[in-house]
Amino acid sequence: ILNVEQSPQSLHVQEGDSTNFTCSFPSSNFYALHWYRWETAKSPEALFVMTLNGDEKKKGRISATLNTKEGYSYLYIKGSQPEDSATYLCASQKTSYDKVIFGPGTSLSVIP
Amino acid sequence: KAGVTQTPRYLIKTRGQQVTLSCSPISGHRSVSWYQQTPGQGLQFLFEYFSETQRNKGNFPGRFSGRQFSNSRSEMNVSTLELGDSALYLCASSSVVSTDTQYFGPGTRLTVL
Repeated sequence: ILNVEQSPQSLHVQEGDSTNFTCSFPSSNFYALHWYRWETAKSPEALFVMTLNGDEKKKGRISATLNTKEGYSYLYIKGSQPEDSATYLCASQKTSYDKVIFGPGTSLSVIP
Repeated sequence: KAGVTQTPRYLIKTRGQQVTLSCSPISGHRSVSWYQQTPGQGLQFLFEYFSETQRNKGNFPGRFSGRQFSNSRSEMNVSTLELGDSALYLCASSSVVSTDTQYFGPGTRLTVL
């Protein structure tokens, strides 16, 4: 993988459903993986920064895991709520001083 | 603590003109990154400034330039505007380098006619 990829591109779930998205990134020269949430008409907001293989982060109903050897990260949302509707972006970084490269995002719509 | 501010919020220009966008980072933050967001393209990295020096640069033509001042405020300039430059331009600041959490501004919506 040369770029940061995310799947699915979009997702529609019912309120209360749990869901997950995937971020794939180049596994060579990995330094950090960032997750952001971007709500309509707002600025992207940081969720997690992960650096170590096997890292797991949690913030309320949202959690993320990281596999640096195979180059992927999963974001999980438990019991989706309408306020979780947003675009979720992941971004990869090769070194501590390198630029942050964003994936195209996964657009989540939670239907009440 | 005040957040990242960007001015102006909206801008309409015509082809061939130039434009300057401004970004004021969170107080104490020394790194400022600029991104372009167009429909279907996601966030494309333009450049990052740290302590008045450009640290990283994305794959944009030389018409896109930037600078950072001693108070960490940053400006981005686009010369000879093209229709394809119409986009949302976001800046983000972080405390030391871009590995730290980036805090994004509200963006400047540029429309080129």
